[in-house]
Amino acid sequence: KAGVTQTPRYLIKTRGQQVTLSCSPISGHRSVSWYQQTPGQGLQFLFEYFSETQRNKGNFPGRFSGRQFSNSRSEMNVSTLELGDSALYLCASSLFRAGDNTGELFFGEGSRLTVL
Amino acid sequence: GQSLEQPSEVTAVEGAIVQINCTYQTSGFYGLSWYQQHDGGAPTFLSYNALDGLEETGRFSSFLSRSDSYGYLLLQELQMKDSASYFCAVSDSNYQLIWGAGTKLIIKP
Repeated sequence: KAGVTQTPRYLIKTRGQQVTLSCSPISGHRSVSWYQQTPGQGLQFLFEYFSETQRNKGNFPGRFSGRQFSNSRSEMNVSTLELGDSALYLCASSLFRAGDNTGELFFGEGSRLTVL
Repeated sequence: GQSLEQPSEVTAVEGAIVQINCTYQTSGFYGLSWYQQHDGGAPTFLSYNALDGLEETGRFSSFLSRSDSYGYLLLQELQMKDSASYFCAVSDSNYQLIWGAGTKLIIKP
């Protein structure tokens, strides 16, 4: 079956702009989680959506937002981009809530954002 | 607050055995997961422990002690391809995954 698909894979923006990233989960998966990863850093949790509702949110400013559609596809948006937003943004899908059952997440290859 | 502690870097020799530890302090606990991430790649799931004891999957094993809030990932017969970052993650009472900062495993020939 198809894996988690993230688009775009690479993008370059300038400070002050906004960006929208897309994530298509594995078919049948209802949970989508978003993470930010900077070089040498761990996975910083942004938010999780399950059945179109935000279930958990990490410690990120309000410039970071997301949503999930009825087909479980999810988007995240970052407004008023800052240089520090340059990172790899990873999306992960799971059948149930991210921390439920085996906790197994399936990650996409990520969207690498560069802010100039 | 909630936190997971794991070493930032571990070095081992090809063919050897290495253990990566993870201690946690979280509000509620359902299970401990391990993920592997190669440079430039996506994290991939390795194992999950909900109960005390050792779970073995090929060359990889994962251990959990709930009373000690501690777990480890054991990699045997190390191969160069095992060079990667390894993350532990705990499922807390809000069904959220709390992640460690990751351990970079360096394997020398």
